[in-house]
Amino acid sequence: SSELTQDPAVSVALGQTVRIICRGDSLRNYNASWYQKKPRQAPRVVMYGENNRPSGIPDRFSGSRSGNTASLTITGAQAEDEADYYCNSRHDNGNPWVFGGGTKMTV
Amino acid sequence: QAQVVESGGGVAQPGRSLRLSCTTSGFTFSTFGMHWVRQAPGKGLEWVAVISHDEDYKRYADSVKGRFIVSRDNSKNILYLQMNNLRVDDSAIYYCTRDLRISTSTWFDPWGQGTPVTVSS
Repeated sequence: SSELTQDPAVSVALGQTVRIICRGDSLRNYNASWYQKKPRQAPRVVMYGENNRPSGIPDRFSGSRSGNTASLTITGAQAEDEADYYCNSRHDNGNPWVFGGGTKMTV
Repeated sequence: QAQVVESGGGVAQPGRSLRLSCTTSGFTFSTFGMHWVRQAPGKGLEWVAVISHDEDYKRYADSVKGRFIVSRDNSKNILYLQMNNLRVDDSAIYYCTRDLRISTSTWFDPWGQGTPVTVSS
């Protein structure tokens, strides 16, 4: 079982806002990073640190962290945002890096 | 720009071995840690292994510990994953990716298209 917990699926209407949540004790000490994964494509980082977007990621993507919870928010979701989203963080016990189980986002 | 390209995947019988390679370009390979991550069919991403820039630090997921070995050749800018005693549940697409860090933040970028491994009798 994953030590980072994500809801398996979320649905959002086109143009609306959706928040994808990741929970785990490691998030109290480490920031999460977030990855977008579409079928037959390589994963792509969309958020890292407290709220840092890599170059090329639209500003409708934002991130936050509070306590043991990290969130990825998409404000004004677009059809092309439909994908699986995974959180990841460093971990002090067990495997040193851990992915969440992933959230399938449907637009 | 930074790029990684995985290769070496294929079909192997249980108990056999495969060696994956990850050829890198566009960045100073010898100064970055590197990771292997995999995704089994219908499953999520699973972190597999990490190696520091100088090979001093290597760690493995519990699921592969004792069977997989990560290494690198900084003169050739190539990362390797030696996969021994393969099991059916090692079947997955294997990705390599670069370790990037600031303070308590780590992220992985870039990613390649991956190389598929199928373990079957």
